[in-house]
Amino acid sequence: AQSVAQPEDQVNVAEGNPLTVKCTYSVSGNPYLFWYVQYPNRGLQFLLKYITGDNLVKGSYGFEAEFNKSQTSFHLKKPSALVSDSALYFCAVRDKNGANNLFFGTGTRLTVIP
Amino acid sequence: EAQVTQNPRYLITVTGKKLTVTCSQNMNHEYMSWYRQDPGLGLRQIYYSMNVEVTDKGDVPEGYKVSRKEKRNFPLILESPSPNQTSLYFCASSPQGTGKTQYFGPGTRLLVL
Repeated sequence: AQSVAQPEDQVNVAEGNPLTVKCTYSVSGNPYLFWYVQYPNRGLQFLLKYITGDNLVKGSYGFEAEFNKSQTSFHLKKPSALVSDSALYFCAVRDKNGANNLFFGTGTRLTVIP
Repeated sequence: EAQVTQNPRYLITVTGKKLTVTCSQNMNHEYMSWYRQDPGLGLRQIYYSMNVEVTDKGDVPEGYKVSRKEKRNFPLILESPSPNQTSLYFCASSPQGTGKTQYFGPGTRLLVL
């Protein structure tokens, strides 16, 4: 069965420092992995996805994620955090029920401290 | 502008009073989906639709209905709302096909008293 784990409910990082938001997954078949961000009082916005190819995926707002098949991880990273990066981040994996369906993690709240 | 719209954005209602949350997309997407977001639980899928007149249950369909009579619209119906349906609801759409990116609406915050 598909599952996604975001082991940290909350991540705090100082502005200018690198940030990492962790995600591990369990899927049958090829993993299709996504990161979304939710700013306060807004819908989810797509950041990046891994379908196939290069394990390092670059996305919006300077974010990137590395697909690691052996560790079944897809951690989100950014070299230098901004206060405006403070938001709720969701990792998602293609669901078993259909090609378009996504199964979401429980989310990680990132706070960037000035 | 390409977007997914939801109405209303905020709704307070009472137990048992039928309500409909509308969702519309202008991107000609075949796939549409409804989710609810609850603290500590992330997003859970309620219903989805692969195309017009094709709908199917997600992970938490109890107490909800949907219809897909037109490609652009995918309303969520709560026939008899209960307090445990108090939540933040999101509609999303995407083109058909594996790995396609879903685009989300702004959300509807529902409070059932």
